Amino acid sequence: AQTVTQSQPEMSVQEAETVTLSCTYDTSENNYYLFWYKQPPSRQMILVIRQEAYKQQNATENRFSVNFQKAAKSFSLKISDSQLGDTAMYFCAFASGTYKYIFGTGTRLKVLA
Amino acid sequence: EAGVVQSPRYKIIEKKQPVAFWCNPISGHNTLYWYLQNLGQGPELLIRYENEEAVDDSQLPKDRFSAERLKGVDSTLKIQPAELGDSAVYLCASSWREGAYNEQFFGPGTRLTVL
Repeated sequence: AQTVTQSQPEMSVQEAETVTLSCTYDTSENNYYLFWYKQPPSRQMILVIRQEAYKQQNATENRFSVNFQKAAKSFSLKISDSQLGDTAMYFCAFASGTYKYIFGTGTRLKVLA
Repeated sequence: EAGVVQSPRYKIIEKKQPVAFWCNPISGHNTLYWYLQNLGQGPELLIRYENEEAVDDSQLPKDRFSAERLKGVDSTLKIQPAELGDSAVYLCASSWREGAYNEQFFGPGTRLTVL
């Protein structure tokens, strides 16, 4: 069975600094997708970034980028130039070709002014 | 474009009572998901619909939970009877078509408290 592990329950970062959130997963499948979702306080969960496992190039979306290490089954999220609006719960998620979605337990990120 | 709409936003009931949650996905989205999110945890998939067909309900506790998506648009999730352990946030999400890669758009959730 697939699992997703986020080992950092809480993190904080100073505004304008860079922070990296960790995620590891376990699967025996070769075709899958990885996501980072953001859930701001009292607001809807939104997609931050996604990665296809067959692509070696790491995905980037403006200030957000990932470090995808397929052999190590690691999928970390780097947030550059952190902003106050980045304060949220961040969930790492895995989806297989059979559409089984597995979310991690989340990392609570607080950006400090 | 309107997002995923859920109602009610909050619900407090006594154990053994029935409760229902409603979800209206983004217009044109064929895939609809219901998730359970316990406090401090990530969402856990309960059921996935492709149009009006429930294609994955393996995680839905069928003894007390039921769901429907008539006409392939709105969906209702029901619990009867509710238990104390059902207290959680129930999230609805939709995506425009079938496929694991597609972005899911989430609603604000319904926070259920069972007393």
